[in-house]
Amino acid sequence: NAGVTQTPKFQVLKTGQSMTLQCAQDMNHNSMYWYRQDPGMGLRLIYYSASEGTTDKGEVPNGYNVSRLNKREFSLRLESAAPSQTSVYFCASPGTSGSFEQFFGPGTRLTVL
Amino acid sequence: RKEVEQDPGPFNVPEGATVAFNCTYSNSASQSFFWYRQDCRKEPKLLMSVYSSGNEDGRFTAQLNRASQYISLLIRDSKLSDSATYLCVVNMGNQGGKLIFGQGTELSVKP
Repeated sequence: NAGVTQTPKFQVLKTGQSMTLQCAQDMNHNSMYWYRQDPGMGLRLIYYSASEGTTDKGEVPNGYNVSRLNKREFSLRLESAAPSQTSVYFCASPGTSGSFEQFFGPGTRLTVL
Repeated sequence: RKEVEQDPGPFNVPEGATVAFNCTYSNSASQSFFWYRQDCRKEPKLLMSVYSSGNEDGRFTAQLNRASQYISLLIRDSKLSDSATYLCVVNMGNQGGKLIFGQGTELSVKP
């Protein structure tokens, strides 16, 4: 029972390249979230999915797209990476169905050159 | 005004000290409150939820004052292993499960 898993752990891109960050949860929860964390700032919500088949924008959605492939998986795509997207990306899912606390994956450290 | 504001860090304390972190939030409709701990280059991990009656977990005590929209975390007898960044987290009231994170307060416990 791994909780929330993310791949890859590290990635270096050149400006304009695309990539998809993968997230999976094995807790059978409806909600999943993508955040980014930058130095000196709290985590900021990029996109979230309240249930399979639905996605909504968070605080900083520009430059990103998401797919809720099934209940287990929620991916984040950068179509044309920019240096401003250099960050640490975390995926999260609630601890128990209906609760508000969230549990996080180990993160993806992305550098865009 | 930021939605969740924390004491700016870092806090540098000796082992055994008592340290308190403060946090204020702006959304009066918020219902759930948490303290997370984040170690360097790791994911945030839930330290404890914060209840209106206050709650304690070993050396850690969390308090909530809804009238003042204020949350606190007290760490007694601090250990070297308590060194981390502590995040104050509040749910967005009428927006269900969405959470707002403070920027974090760094704690460094020295021998």
